[in-house]
Amino acid sequence: GAVVSQHPSRVICKSGTSVKIECRSLDFQATTMFWYRQFPKKSLMLMATSNEGSKATYEQGVEKDKFLINHASLTLSTLTVTSAHPEDSSFYICSARGVAGAGDSYEQYFGPGTRLTVT
Amino acid sequence: GQNIDQPTEMTATEGAIVQINCTYQTSGFNGLFWYQQHAGEAPTFLSYNVLDGLEEKGRFSSFLSRSKGYSYLLLKELQMKDSASYLCAVMDSNYQLIWGAGTKLIIKP
Repeated sequence: GAVVSQHPSRVICKSGTSVKIECRSLDFQATTMFWYRQFPKKSLMLMATSNEGSKATYEQGVEKDKFLINHASLTLSTLTVTSAHPEDSSFYICSARGVAGAGDSYEQYFGPGTRLTVT
Repeated sequence: GQNIDQPTEMTATEGAIVQINCTYQTSGFNGLFWYQQHAGEAPTFLSYNVLDGLEEKGRFSSFLSRSKGYSYLLLKELQMKDSASYLCAVMDSNYQLIWGAGTKLIIKP
């Protein structure tokens, strides 16, 4: 099956610094990548959708200047949390969707997630 | 608005069968997904239904009724490792996934 990697898996940073999280599709081309955030015992919350070569579409309430998303190639998307604060501590998960074709289920393949702790 | 409803928590016994229900109201429908998520991990794909009926895959089966806006995930021969959250998600007319809050399944020996 399709594999999506995410790096780093865990990161601890100080308040005010920026953190970059990478999401890579390893064996397929991801035309669309999604970034989710999940608080403990809560459902996934879609933050933004990014299509290769174009600007990301952010969900309502998500600050685009704080959560910078770049989808520079068909296999890589990055999320940068700028000027992180303790309330940004969360589990960030990316997913990727390949090129749609006949019978494609539009399944999203998830990365393993990144646990961000801001102190 | 768009809405996905599923029970918050369920408890079942090892070796038994459990059915997790999901009802949905969305703007358009392009399929329903079930994902399994263990604590601290990303979701993993279990099943996809776009037509009415039952899809069986080993110990797991998923059913869909589009006219009723209803699906269920059936887990047979429960094992302790099945303890996890089960997420129902519907793909709407814009091909975006609308997520339910998840059902935490607790398996007891």
